[in-house]
Amino acid sequence: KQEVTQIPAALSVPEGENLVLNCSFTDSAIYNLQWFRQDPGKGLTSLLLIQSSQREQTSGRLNASLDKSSGRSTLYIAASQPGDSATYLCAVWRDYKLSFGAGTTVTVRA
Amino acid sequence: NAGVTQTPKFQVLKTGQSMTLQCAQDMNHEYMSWYRQDPGMGLRLIHYSVGAGITDQGEVPNGYNVSRSTTEDFPLRLLSAAPSQTSVYFCASSYWGQAYEQYFGPGTRLTVT
Repeated sequence: KQEVTQIPAALSVPEGENLVLNCSFTDSAIYNLQWFRQDPGKGLTSLLLIQSSQREQTSGRLNASLDKSSGRSTLYIAASQPGDSATYLCAVWRDYKLSFGAGTTVTVRA
Repeated sequence: NAGVTQTPKFQVLKTGQSMTLQCAQDMNHEYMSWYRQDPGMGLRLIHYSVGAGITDQGEVPNGYNVSRSTTEDFPLRLLSAAPSQTSVYFCASSYWGQAYEQYFGPGTRLTVT
Protein backbone atom coordinates (compact mmCIF):
# COMPACT_ATOMS: atom_id res chain seq x y z
CA LYS A 1 0.00 0.00 0.00
CA GLN A 2 1.38 3.38 -0.96
CA GLU A 3 2.16 5.62 1.99
CA VAL A 4 2.69 9.34 1.40
CA THR A 5 4.22 11.50 4.11
CA GLN A 6 4.55 15.27 4.28
CA ILE A 7 6.88 16.93 6.72
CA PRO A 8 6.49 19.31 8.43
CA ALA A 9 2.78 19.28 9.19
CA ALA A 10 2.83 23.04 9.70
CA LEU A 11 5.19 25.86 8.84
CA SER A 12 5.21 29.57 9.68
CA VAL A 13 7.57 31.97 7.91
CA PRO A 14 7.95 35.73 7.50
CA GLU A 15 6.99 37.26 4.19
CA GLY A 16 9.75 37.10 1.59
CA GLU A 17 11.31 33.89 2.88
CA ASN A 18 11.56 30.91 0.52
CA LEU A 19 9.38 27.91 1.36
CA VAL A 20 10.52 24.28 1.11
CA LEU A 21 7.86 21.60 1.44
CA ASN A 22 8.73 17.92 1.48
CA CYS A 23 6.85 14.85 0.32
CA SER A 24 7.98 11.23 0.50
CA PHE A 25 6.35 8.06 -0.78
CA THR A 26 7.08 4.39 -0.17
CA ASP A 27 6.45 2.83 -3.60
CA SER A 28 8.59 4.40 -6.32
CA ALA A 29 6.63 2.80 -9.20
CA ILE A 30 4.44 5.86 -9.71
CA TYR A 31 3.04 7.34 -12.92
CA ASN A 32 3.05 10.94 -11.74
CA LEU A 33 3.12 13.19 -8.68
CA GLN A 34 0.87 16.20 -8.25
CA TRP A 35 1.04 19.15 -5.85
CA PHE A 36 -2.19 20.85 -4.78
CA ARG A 37 -3.14 23.90 -2.79
CA GLN A 38 -6.19 23.91 -0.52
CA ASP A 39 -7.59 27.04 1.12
CA PRO A 40 -9.76 26.60 4.26
CA GLY A 41 -13.21 25.28 3.39
CA LYS A 42 -12.38 25.06 -0.30
CA GLY A 43 -11.54 22.45 -2.90
CA LEU A 44 -8.13 21.45 -4.24
CA THR A 45 -6.32 23.51 -6.85
CA SER A 46 -3.67 21.79 -8.93
CA LEU A 47 -0.30 23.57 -8.78
CA LEU A 48 2.15 21.32 -10.58
CA LEU A 49 2.22 17.82 -12.04
CA ILE A 50 5.47 15.93 -12.57
CA GLN A 51 5.40 12.83 -14.71
CA SER A 52 7.56 9.89 -13.65
CA SER A 53 10.02 10.54 -16.49
CA GLN A 54 10.57 14.16 -15.43
CA ARG A 55 12.84 15.59 -12.75
CA GLU A 56 11.14 18.93 -12.15
CA GLN A 57 8.40 21.33 -13.16
CA THR A 58 8.21 25.10 -12.77
CA SER A 59 5.37 27.59 -12.75
CA GLY A 60 6.11 31.17 -11.80
CA ARG A 61 7.48 31.22 -8.24
CA LEU A 62 6.82 27.50 -7.82
CA ASN A 63 9.28 24.73 -8.58
CA ALA A 64 8.73 21.05 -7.85
CA SER A 65 11.36 18.36 -8.08
CA LEU A 66 10.96 14.59 -8.19
CA ASP A 67 13.47 11.92 -7.25
CA LYS A 68 11.54 8.75 -7.98
CA SER A 69 14.29 6.34 -6.97
CA SER A 70 14.46 7.76 -3.45
CA GLY A 71 10.70 8.35 -3.22
CA ARG A 72 10.90 12.10 -2.67
CA SER A 73 9.51 15.33 -4.03
CA THR A 74 10.11 18.90 -2.92
CA LEU A 75 7.99 21.97 -3.61
CA TYR A 76 9.85 25.28 -3.52
CA ILE A 77 7.95 28.56 -3.31
CA ALA A 78 10.18 31.56 -3.84
CA ALA A 79 9.72 34.89 -2.06
CA SER A 80 6.65 33.87 -0.09
CA GLN A 81 3.68 36.20 0.26
CA PRO A 82 0.76 36.24 2.75
CA GLY A 83 -1.46 35.02 -0.12
CA ASP A 84 0.58 31.80 -0.16
CA SER A 85 -0.92 30.85 3.21
CA ALA A 86 -2.79 27.58 2.64
CA THR A 87 -2.44 23.82 3.01
CA TYR A 88 -0.27 22.14 0.39
CA LEU A 89 -0.94 18.52 -0.50
CA CYS A 90 1.11 16.11 -2.54
CA ALA A 91 -0.36 13.03 -4.18
CA VAL A 92 1.07 10.16 -6.21
CA TRP A 93 -0.76 8.36 -9.01
CA ARG A 94 -0.44 4.68 -9.79
CA ASP A 95 -2.87 2.08 -11.13
CA TYR A 96 -5.70 4.62 -11.45
CA LYS A 97 -5.44 5.55 -7.78
CA LEU A 98 -4.25 8.79 -6.21
CA SER A 99 -2.67 8.52 -2.76
CA PHE A 100 -2.43 11.70 -0.71
CA GLY A 101 -0.23 12.98 2.04
CA ALA A 102 -1.86 14.70 5.01
CA GLY A 103 -0.55 18.09 3.90
CA THR A 104 1.63 20.93 5.15
CA THR A 105 -0.21 23.99 6.46
CA VAL A 106 1.74 27.13 5.63
CA THR A 107 1.33 30.52 7.29
CA VAL A 108 3.19 33.48 5.79
CA ARG A 109 3.40 36.36 8.27
CA ALA A 110 3.26 39.92 6.91
CA ASN B 1 -16.22 25.08 -19.22
CA ALA B 2 -17.71 24.68 -15.75
CA GLY B 3 -15.10 22.04 -14.89
CA VAL B 4 -16.13 19.64 -12.11
CA THR B 5 -19.36 20.52 -10.33
CA GLN B 6 -20.78 18.97 -7.17
CA THR B 7 -24.19 19.28 -5.55
CA PRO B 8 -25.26 19.89 -2.89
CA LYS B 9 -22.62 22.05 -1.15
CA PHE B 10 -23.92 21.17 2.31
CA GLN B 11 -26.17 18.38 3.58
CA VAL B 12 -27.37 17.20 6.97
CA LEU B 13 -28.74 13.66 7.25
CA LYS B 14 -30.13 11.58 10.06
CA THR B 15 -28.64 8.17 10.74
CA GLY B 16 -30.18 5.59 8.41
CA GLN B 17 -31.23 8.01 5.69
CA SER B 18 -29.98 7.60 2.15
CA MET B 19 -28.91 10.22 -0.34
CA THR B 20 -26.98 10.78 -3.54
CA LEU B 21 -24.11 13.21 -3.97
CA GLN B 22 -23.95 14.47 -7.52
CA CYS B 23 -20.79 15.02 -9.56
CA ALA B 24 -20.57 16.17 -13.16
CA GLN B 25 -17.77 17.27 -15.48
CA ASP B 26 -17.90 18.88 -18.90
CA MET B 27 -14.31 18.19 -20.00
CA ASN B 28 -14.99 14.76 -21.57
CA HIS B 29 -12.70 13.14 -19.01
CA GLU B 30 -12.88 9.36 -18.99
CA TYR B 31 -11.63 9.00 -15.40
CA MET B 32 -13.70 10.12 -12.39
CA SER B 33 -13.33 9.44 -8.69
CA TRP B 34 -14.68 10.19 -5.23
CA TYR B 35 -12.66 11.04 -2.11
CA ARG B 36 -13.49 11.83 1.45
CA GLN B 37 -11.43 14.22 3.54
CA ASP B 38 -11.32 13.87 7.31
CA PRO B 39 -9.22 15.92 9.77
CA GLY B 40 -5.82 14.35 10.33
CA MET B 41 -6.41 11.61 7.74
CA GLY B 42 -5.97 13.37 4.43
CA LEU B 43 -8.01 12.43 1.38
CA ARG B 44 -8.96 8.81 0.87
CA LEU B 45 -10.26 7.24 -2.32
CA ILE B 46 -13.79 5.80 -2.10
CA HIS B 47 -14.61 4.65 -5.66
CA TYR B 48 -13.36 5.41 -9.13
CA SER B 49 -14.34 4.88 -12.75
CA VAL B 50 -12.15 4.60 -15.85
CA GLY B 51 -15.05 5.07 -18.23
CA ALA B 52 -18.80 4.78 -18.68
CA GLY B 53 -20.06 1.46 -17.35
CA ILE B 54 -16.85 0.69 -15.41
CA THR B 55 -16.38 1.30 -11.68
CA ASP B 56 -14.03 -0.04 -9.03
CA GLN B 57 -13.42 0.26 -5.32
CA GLY B 58 -10.88 2.48 -3.67
CA GLU B 59 -9.50 2.46 -0.15
CA VAL B 60 -12.74 3.08 1.79
CA PRO B 61 -15.73 1.81 -0.28
CA ASN B 62 -17.95 0.37 2.46
CA GLY B 63 -21.32 2.10 2.78
CA TYR B 64 -21.09 3.76 -0.63
CA ASN B 65 -22.29 2.82 -4.11
CA VAL B 66 -21.48 4.35 -7.48
CA SER B 67 -22.52 3.93 -11.08
CA ARG B 68 -21.31 5.52 -14.31
CA SER B 69 -23.95 5.51 -17.01
CA THR B 70 -22.53 8.53 -18.88
CA THR B 71 -19.08 10.06 -19.34
CA GLU B 72 -20.22 13.28 -17.66
CA ASP B 73 -21.81 12.05 -14.42
CA PHE B 74 -20.57 10.00 -11.47
CA PRO B 75 -23.02 10.02 -8.54
CA LEU B 76 -22.11 8.68 -5.10
CA ARG B 77 -24.88 6.99 -3.11
CA LEU B 78 -24.95 6.62 0.65
CA LEU B 79 -27.20 3.65 1.30
CA SER B 80 -27.83 4.06 5.04
CA ALA B 81 -25.98 7.05 6.47
CA ALA B 82 -23.90 6.63 9.64
CA PRO B 83 -22.20 9.29 11.81
CA SER B 84 -18.84 7.88 10.64
CA GLN B 85 -19.69 9.15 7.16
CA THR B 86 -19.62 12.75 8.36
CA SER B 87 -16.94 14.22 6.13
CA VAL B 88 -16.17 16.46 3.19
CA TYR B 89 -16.58 14.67 -0.12
CA PHE B 90 -14.67 15.60 -3.24
CA CYS B 91 -15.16 14.45 -6.80
CA ALA B 92 -12.31 14.57 -9.31
CA SER B 93 -11.81 13.87 -13.00
CA SER B 94 -8.88 13.44 -15.35
CA TYR B 95 -7.83 12.39 -18.83
CA TRP B 96 -4.98 10.19 -20.05
CA GLY B 97 -3.98 12.83 -22.60
CA GLN B 98 -3.10 15.21 -19.77
CA ALA B 99 -1.09 12.59 -17.86
CA TYR B 100 -4.09 12.09 -15.56
CA GLU B 101 -3.77 15.52 -13.97
CA GLN B 102 -6.64 15.57 -11.47
CA TYR B 103 -9.26 18.33 -11.44
CA PHE B 104 -11.31 18.57 -8.26
CA GLY B 105 -14.80 19.84 -7.58
CA PRO B 106 -15.59 22.28 -4.74
CA GLY B 107 -16.74 19.55 -2.35
CA THR B 108 -19.86 18.57 -0.41
CA ARG B 109 -19.85 18.94 3.36
CA LEU B 110 -21.97 16.15 4.84
CA THR B 111 -23.05 15.86 8.47
CA VAL B 112 -24.80 12.74 9.74
CA THR B 113 -26.52 13.11 13.12
